[in-house]
Amino acid sequence: AQSVTQLDSQVPVFEEAPVELRCNYSSSVSVYLFWYVQYPNQGLQLLLKYLSGSTLVKGINGFEAEFNKRQTSFHLRKPSVHISDTAEYFCAVSDDTGRRALTFGSGTRLQVQP
Amino acid sequence: GAGVSQSPSNKVTEKGKDVELRCDPISGHTALYWYRQSLGQGLEFLIYFQGNSAPDKSGLPSDRFSAERTGGSVSTLTIQRTQQEDSAVYLCASSLTEYEKLFFGSGTQLSVL
Repeated sequence: AQSVTQLDSQVPVFEEAPVELRCNYSSSVSVYLFWYVQYPNQGLQLLLKYLSGSTLVKGINGFEAEFNKRQTSFHLRKPSVHISDTAEYFCAVSDDTGRRALTFGSGTRLQVQP
Repeated sequence: GAGVSQSPSNKVTEKGKDVELRCDPISGHTALYWYRQSLGQGLEFLIYFQGNSAPDKSGLPSDRFSAERTGGSVSTLTIQRTQQEDSAVYLCASSLTEYEKLFFGSGTQLSVL
């Protein structure tokens, strides 16, 4: 069984400040990792994903995440946030055991303040 | 259509009634997923379709929940004898193949009174 933990339910940050949203996972097999974003009144959309290869993954809107197998983490970062980054961010994990569905974390609400 | 379409967008029902939620995936997407998002919670997996078959239905919370997919396209999620704890946003997503990017619909907000 796999699980995802997003330790921070809310992260307030000022505009142009850096941000890190934390994600830890638990799995006994190789994993695939994802970050999805849900803007207000919109559906979820993929920010970035890690399947294999380089552990530093770059996504849309200037976000990046680093896969750390030893620490079982996949933290999301952005060096300078904008008001428009205010949204709910979900970390998700899948594996290659045959169960294809993603397991999502409980989400982190990023609130960017002027 | 251009994206994943779900209907209705909102559904209010009385406890004990049956409801049917519809998902129209992106044309050509073979994989289809149903998730449930409760207030303040993450996304809870319900069921996954590959074509018309459901290789993983492990997330369905009880036998009151069922889903089907026909023609490798439209899917319906049926909840029988609804309970108040069924109130949530039901999200549908589709992808071209497994492990591809998921495209989500806007969801159906279900309220059971």
